[in-house]
Amino acid sequence: DAGITQSPRYKITETGRQVTLMCHQTWSHSYMFWYRQDLGHGLRLIYYSAAADITDKGEVPDGYVVSRSKTENFPLTLESATRSQTSVYFCASSESSPEGAFFGQGTRLTVV
Amino acid sequence: AQKVTQAQTEISVVEKEDVTLDCVYETRDTTYYLFWYKQPPSGELVFLIRRNSFDEQNEISGRYSWNFQKSTSSFNFTITASQVVDSAVYFCAPFSGNTGKLIFGQGTTLQVKP
Repeated sequence: DAGITQSPRYKITETGRQVTLMCHQTWSHSYMFWYRQDLGHGLRLIYYSAAADITDKGEVPDGYVVSRSKTENFPLTLESATRSQTSVYFCASSESSPEGAFFGQGTRLTVV
Repeated sequence: AQKVTQAQTEISVVEKEDVTLDCVYETRDTTYYLFWYKQPPSGELVFLIRRNSFDEQNEISGRYSWNFQKSTSSFNFTITASQVVDSAVYFCAPFSGNTGKLIFGQGTTLQVKP
C-alpha cells in the first residue's frame, strides 16, 4: 500500500532498554521527520532528514538516534529509554517543494 | 531560524458560528511553506492546506478559508458555519525551503458545541 507506515503502533518497554521505532514511506519523498507529541507541548521535532545519509537535529534530539541508509526508511532509536520518553511518536515525509507533509498513524510508546 | 505562535490555546464556539484560528510565524528563510493540520480526537494528523512564501492569494475551500499576509507574518484559518465534526486540535506548521525543517505551533483546540 502506498503511504507512510509506522511500526509498532504500540510499545511498552522498560527503563534502560533500547527500542527502535520504524518508519517506511513508499513515495520516495526526500524529507522525513520524527516528532513526539506530549500533552501541553504540541508536536516537537526530534530529527529530520533531507535525503539518504543526511540527518539533522530538531528541537529535542537528546536521547535519540536516527539513521537513513535508504530513502524510504527512517528508524528512530531510543538508546536507553527513560520514562520521560513516554510519548506518541509521529513520522512524516514530504517532497522538497512540498504539496504537504504526510504523517504516519503514530506509535504510542510507554516506558515503565 | 523559524518560530511559530498560535496564541489561542482553546476556543469554544456554538455550532454554525464562524471561527478564526490565528497563526504568526517568524522566519529568515526566503523560501518557505506554511501548512495547516487538523488532529481530531482519533489522533491522526490530517493535512489541510499549504501556502508558499511567494503566493499570498487567499483560498477558500468549502467552509474553510485561509488568509496569508506576509507583511504581518500571519497565516490565519477560518471555519465558516462551524460543525461539531470540526472539533479538533489545529496546528500551523512552517516548512523551511532552505533547511527542510518543519516545525509545529502549539496547536489550538477547537470545541464546537451543538
